[in-house]
Amino acid sequence: QKEVEQNSGPLSVPEGAIASLNCTYSDRGSQSFFWYRQYSGKSPELIMSIYSNGDKEDGRFTAQLNKASQYVSLLIRDSQPSDSATYLCAVNLGQAGTALIFGKGTTLSVSS
Amino acid sequence: GAVVSQHPSRVICKSGTSVKIECRSLDFQATTMFWYRQFPKQSLMLMATSNEGSKATYEQGVEKDKFLINHASLTLSTLTVTSAHPEDSSFYICSAKGQGGFNYGYTFGSGTRLTVV
Repeated sequence: QKEVEQNSGPLSVPEGAIASLNCTYSDRGSQSFFWYRQYSGKSPELIMSIYSNGDKEDGRFTAQLNKASQYVSLLIRDSQPSDSATYLCAVNLGQAGTALIFGKGTTLSVSS
Repeated sequence: GAVVSQHPSRVICKSGTSVKIECRSLDFQATTMFWYRQFPKQSLMLMATSNEGSKATYEQGVEKDKFLINHASLTLSTLTVTSAHPEDSSFYICSAKGQGGFNYGYTFGSGTRLTVV
């Protein structure tokens, strides 16, 4: 059973703070990892992808991957109210043609 | 960037009727398309994977005769919900994957909100 686990939240942080979102996955064969943001009633939009152990930074976002611990996280610095959304962690086994497997998502609320 | 167009965005249908949802890759060739379903406050659940010119592969528990998937070209896949019932009301989202390696481009459509009354 391939599983992706996330804390459903809600995670509440004040504006300007760092929000930390976590995700674990069960399949050690997983090769690629994605963070999506989903606003209510909308389709997911890609924030970041990461494939190698370590950190990957893109603007206010930093993804961290630890394959040994089967753990991937997303840090959002200087959180803004517009960051309030559900964040979905998605994992792919890396085989050609395979789908993304999603976690249930963590709801983030940034208060001004 | 890669764009996937999904239509309709919203549809209301009567119980027992069929509804067709289209998913088009506008500026790339989608070798594989995926169909997901999302119930309120739940995550995206994969329904099926379709490759151009071949039969779709359905996930366990998804009725292939109820959810008909056609991927006749590299830019178009359709999902038809046959004999829809209220429990089929959900948010349906397609995802298209382009050529260029297994990490290349998972692009999502804007989703279709289906309400069966």
